[in-house]
Amino acid sequence: GDSVTQMEGPVTLSEEAFLTINCTYTATGYPSLFWYVQYPGEGLQLLLKATKADDKGSNKGFEATYRKETTSFHLEKGSVQVSDSAVYFCASGYGKLTFGQGTILTVHP
Amino acid sequence: NAGVTQTPKFQVLKTGQSMTLQCAQDMNHNSMYWYRQDPGMGLRLIYYSASEGTTDKGEVPNGYNVSRLNKREFSLRLESAAPSQTSVYFCAGSGRLGNTEAFFGQGTRLTVV
Repeated sequence: GDSVTQMEGPVTLSEEAFLTINCTYTATGYPSLFWYVQYPGEGLQLLLKATKADDKGSNKGFEATYRKETTSFHLEKGSVQVSDSAVYFCASGYGKLTFGQGTILTVHP
Repeated sequence: NAGVTQTPKFQVLKTGQSMTLQCAQDMNHNSMYWYRQDPGMGLRLIYYSASEGTTDKGEVPNGYNVSRLNKREFSLRLESAAPSQTSVYFCAGSGRLGNTEAFFGQGTRLTVV
C-alpha cells in the first residue's frame, strides 16, 4: 500500500534559521503531494501542494518540489519565525490521503 | 462559510458506552473522511465516503461504523467504546471543483476511561 515517511523529530531551531523537513513516499501511480500544518489545539490546514512531477508548491515562505525520481517532497523555508512552531505533516493521494507521522517544529527567539 | 464542522469538541466516555461523532460540511464536497490522530502515528483513515450513498473501510475500521446521511453530513459511531479508541478524531471533505486536497474540521478529542 501507499506510505509516507517523514524525518524523525522533533526539530528545534532558532529564529531566522533554515528549515528542511524531509518527506519520501511510495505510491502506485502519480499522487498529489501535500504539506499540512497543525497548530496547537487546531485541525490541519493545507500549507502547500503539488499535483505532478517537478511542480513546486509554495506558501508563506515555505516551498516543496515534487521529485518523482527520488520520490520526495521535502519542505523548506529560508528563515523560520517563532510563529512557525507547529506540527507539519506530509501526505500523498487524491482526497483520500496517506499521512506521514508528523514532525514537531519548535522555533526559539 | 463554516467549512467542516465537528461536534462535540471534547468527550469523555466510560468503557462500553456508545456515542456518535457528527460532521457537517458546507463546501459542497463530494467525498468525506474520518481519521484518527495518535501520537507518533500521524493520521490514519477510519472510514470514508467517496460520494453520497457510499461508504468504505479505511486502514483502521474495527470498532467503528459510519453513516453518510446526505451530501453534507457524515457521522462516526462507536458502538461500545474501548480505551484503545482514546484519540483525536478528524473529519475531512474533498472533491469540490476537482481539487485533490482535503479540508479538515477542528477535531474531537475523545477519552475512554
